[in-house]
Amino acid sequence: QKEVEQNSGPLSVPEGAIASLNCTYSDRGSQSFFWYRQYSGKSPELIMFIYSNGDKEDGRFTAQLNKASQYVSLLIRDSQPSDSATYLCAPDFGNEKLTFGTGTRLTIIP
Amino acid sequence: DTAVSQTPKYLVTQMGNDKSIKCEQNLGHDTMYWYKQDSKKFLKIMFSYNNKELIINETVPNRFSPKSPDKAHLNLHINSLELGDSAVYFCASSHEANYGYTFGSGTRLTVV
Repeated sequence: QKEVEQNSGPLSVPEGAIASLNCTYSDRGSQSFFWYRQYSGKSPELIMFIYSNGDKEDGRFTAQLNKASQYVSLLIRDSQPSDSATYLCAPDFGNEKLTFGTGTRLTIIP
Repeated sequence: DTAVSQTPKYLVTQMGNDKSIKCEQNLGHDTMYWYKQDSKKFLKIMFSYNNKELIINETVPNRFSPKSPDKAHLNLHINSLELGDSAVYFCASSHEANYGYTFGSGTRLTVV
């Protein structure tokens, strides 16, 4: 059974600080990794994807991938109250679907 | 110009009833999915179709039957609803799984 693990939180971060969200996965063959943001009562929204080892930056968001350690993370710089949401990690295990983690609930404290 | 639209948004029904949820996408994607999100927010795949063909059928009770009349539409029919079916059901579409998904707004099903 391929698995995705995330700390469910809640993770509380002061406004303006860096929020760090972590995800580990079980399948060494995974090639694509996605981060989704889900506001309460809303649908998941794709915010980042990463395919290669290393860092990928998009605005205030940075995804970091380490395939050897089977670890992917999402950093949010200059955290804003609007970043308060649940963040879902979703590796593509190559089985024609995304497998989602249980998500980390992030709260930005003004 | 909603990319993936689901109807209805809310569905409240009694145990034993039969209900359907409809999904349509205008993104030109080949693959569509149904996911169930339980009260703990865990998203679990139920079905996926690629160009009208069923390619994923997870361990889901036979009471759930998906239908895809064309690659832009994927419906979900549920027979003999049970209390445990209460959840949010999300439709999603993608070019391929490794391109990521676009989700619909979800259908909150409450069985009473």
